[in-house]
Formats: sequence, C-alpha cells, structure tokens
Amino acid sequence: DGGITQSPKYLFRKEGQNVTLSCEQNLNHDAMYWYRQDPGQGLRLIYYSQIVNDFQKGDIAEGYSVSREKKESFPLTVTSAQKNPTAFYLCASSGDADSPLHFGNGTRLTVT
Amino acid sequence: EDQVTQSPEALRLQEGESSSLNCSYTVSGLRGLFWYRQDPGKGPEFLFTLYSAGEEKEKERLKATLTKKESFLHITAPKPEDSATYLCAVQRGGGSYIPTFGRGTSLIVHP
Repeated sequence: DGGITQSPKYLFRKEGQNVTLSCEQNLNHDAMYWYRQDPGQGLRLIYYSQIVNDFQKGDIAEGYSVSREKKESFPLTVTSAQKNPTAFYLCASSGDADSPLHFGNGTRLTVT
Repeated sequence: EDQVTQSPEALRLQEGESSSLNCSYTVSGLRGLFWYRQDPGKGPEFLFTLYSAGEEKEKERLKATLTKKESFLHITAPKPEDSATYLCAVQRGGGSYIPTFGRGTSLIVHP
C-alpha cells in the first residue's frame, strides 16, 4: 500500500545536538511538507517542497533545515539553534493543489 | 490572510448523542475545504473534501456540509470509537499548495 513513512516514532536527544527526522513516500507525490504540532497550537508549517531540489520556508523555519534530493524523500534536520525543539513532527505529501494532504504517523522528538 | 476557526475546542458527548462541529473560514478564492480525523499519537487521516457551497459528503456517522463562510461536521449517534480530534483546512485557489489549518475540535464520546 502507498503511504508516508516517518522514522523513528520516538527520538530522544541531548540539547545542543542536531537530529534528522526521516520522511519517505511512495505515492509519487510532487509536494511534501513538514509540520510541527504542539498542544493547543494546531499544525504549524516548517518547510515545504513542490519539486525535487527546491523547497521554501514555512511559518516557523528558524532552527530547521531540509533537503529534497529525491522525489520520495524529504528529511528534516532540527538544529541546535532551534530554541524549543521538543514537539510532535508530522510529514505530509500531496499530488496537486486540489488534493488533500496525506500524513505520516509522526515523530515525537524529546530534547533534554 | 486566510483564517480558519474551529469550534468548540473540545466536546464531550454521550454515546448516541448527535452534535455538530463548526469550521468558520475566510479565504480568497476557496479551492477546497478538507476535514481530517486525528487519533492521539497519529497523523491526521483525510475524511472529506468539499468544493462548493451547498455540497455535502457522508461517511458512516459523519456528514460534512459547506456554505460560503463555514462548514459543519455533523456526527449522528456517535460511538466511543468516534473520539478523536477533527481538523478543518482550507485551500485557496491560484495554484497554492499550502492549506490553512484550524486548531481542531477534540471530541470525546462516552459509552
């Protein structure tokens, strides 16, 4: 079955360390997204990419970086510059501007 | 700026007690309105897309409706397994790939 795979499900890191969250899709979708979800805040867009080798900052890009070297993959790096990295991170994809997003099951990152 | 407001923030129902969730929106040139269901610790799961005022979609105990300013998600005779957070999002026209999400309504259905 086609879908989006995020790994790992849980991730623990020490403050000051960079960490990379994986996102892979086999839906042949052009667009991919990274969202952060905190209690009471809803979904906040970190980065998105509409085509390979191109991506744009979302509303809260500071302290994060991404790459899009392959259509299937859109990894997110949470850098040490991100002041409050502990959160639930969701990756999504869509086939076109009229289609709903397909989400992965998230990675819960805890930084201590 | 596109805006989506969902109400109530939280809703507790008894099993079988029908109710509605509201999604009010302002968007320049609505392309589509989406409803998602999110279970704790999981990613949102797509439920419905509505494209124009007057449109309705149904799935089991859920029915989504759309007007020019808001959408309702009606839940008829809910069961405990309907407990989840329900998210609404709007997509503007003009080729934008970025939907605007509401903060969701957390629904708990007690047996």
